[in-house]
Amino acid sequence: ETGVTQTPRHLVMGMTNKKSLKCEQHLGHNAMYWYKQSAKKPLELMFVYNFKEQTENNSVPSRFSPECPNSSHLFLHLHTLQPEDSALYLCASSPESVDTQYFGPGTRLTVL
Amino acid sequence: AQTVTQSQPEMSVQEAETVTLSCTYDTSESDYYLFWYKQPPSRQMILVIRQEAYKQQNATENRFSVNFQKAAKSFSLKISDSQLGDAAMYFCAFLSGGSNYKLTFGKGTLLTVNP
Repeated sequence: ETGVTQTPRHLVMGMTNKKSLKCEQHLGHNAMYWYKQSAKKPLELMFVYNFKEQTENNSVPSRFSPECPNSSHLFLHLHTLQPEDSALYLCASSPESVDTQYFGPGTRLTVL
Repeated sequence: AQTVTQSQPEMSVQEAETVTLSCTYDTSESDYYLFWYKQPPSRQMILVIRQEAYKQQNATENRFSVNFQKAAKSFSLKISDSQLGDAAMYFCAFLSGGSNYKLTFGKGTLLTVNP
């Protein structure tokens, strides 16, 4: 498999559930990112990992918890979400932190 | 903080014609990168073209080209010989050349291609 993959592609969860989003990149990149895309809003950067170290947390609520076990994998753990957290969550990777970012297909999250 | 402005929420073009999408940005930096991404209905964000600010020559990728005006802080995308598959939301994005990893996006322009 090539590029950046994300699973699941669609997720529906209740406010009390705990779920995780997974991102995997097969490009040999060193930096990985989580973005949130809501309707009518520009993409919002959530987290940045560079060589497995978190280098950016863009004031994201603690109900979103990222994890980067290695340079190829990135997770977003979700718990006690709110309906306003419903959005498309995009993962991206880049060779270095200041470089072109390549995106996965996204996970469409619906919080009931 | 950088800002990216796309003043055209929607545009339409006839198949085989040419269309230009506008983008302006605001920054005090001299070293940065600019991108155009397209997002078709599948929601996959796809890189269209990239421009380094230090390069005076405008980037081109097949039917896609940019008009980069650094002094005016303008970065427009021209699509020649438009095809039905070009229909998508197009986002202009700015990346600082410093230690800031943040890719700042505009709000997007929805391009419709009419047969």
